[in-house]
Amino acid sequence: KQEVTQIPAALSVPEGENLVLNCSFTDSAIYNLQWFRQDPGKGLTSLLLIQSSQREQTSGRLNASLDKSSGRSTLYIAASQPGDSATYLCASRSGNTPLVFGKGTRLSVIA
Amino acid sequence: GAGVSQSPSNKVTEKGKDVELRCDPISGHTALYWYRQSLGQGLEFLIYFQGNSAPDKSGLPSDRFSAERTGGSVSTLTIQRTQQEDSAVYLCASSLERGGETQYFGPGTRLLVL
Repeated sequence: KQEVTQIPAALSVPEGENLVLNCSFTDSAIYNLQWFRQDPGKGLTSLLLIQSSQREQTSGRLNASLDKSSGRSTLYIAASQPGDSATYLCASRSGNTPLVFGKGTRLSVIA
Repeated sequence: GAGVSQSPSNKVTEKGKDVELRCDPISGHTALYWYRQSLGQGLEFLIYFQGNSAPDKSGLPSDRFSAERTGGSVSTLTIQRTQQEDSAVYLCASSLERGGETQYFGPGTRLLVL
């Protein structure tokens, strides 16, 4: 059974800093991996989707990488801003199984 | 509408009562998913619809939980005889199809069972 772990559970950084959020998964036979953002009291917003054949995806200041062999994905946020403060969730899919989510990393960017 | 909508946004009920939660997916999306997000537990898959059928109900926690989808669009999640442990945020998502497509989430329904 796939398990997804995110470390750290919470992270606080000063504005302008580059940061990396980590996601690990136990079953490397994934179909895709997705990073989401969740603001307090809101639903999830998809940030990046990486197919199993891809190594990374970029969108603006965000870059997500995928290393299936080691069961890891990272979300890199460049030049962080207070508006980046949110909980970041990663989720993987294997074949026809449902998305399996990590518990998230709660990010605070301090002005 | 442009996105997934859910209603009600908040629901407070008494233990033992039944509740119905509604999800309106993005128009044209054939796949619809229900998840539950409990404090400290992360997101938990409940059920998946492809069109009006539910090929995967593996996440429903008990027979008090049921869901249906009509017309390949709106879905309702029903919880019968609610218990305090049912308190959570119930999130709905839709995607074009069950494949490599991104899932788009609604804002959720916050359920509190007293």
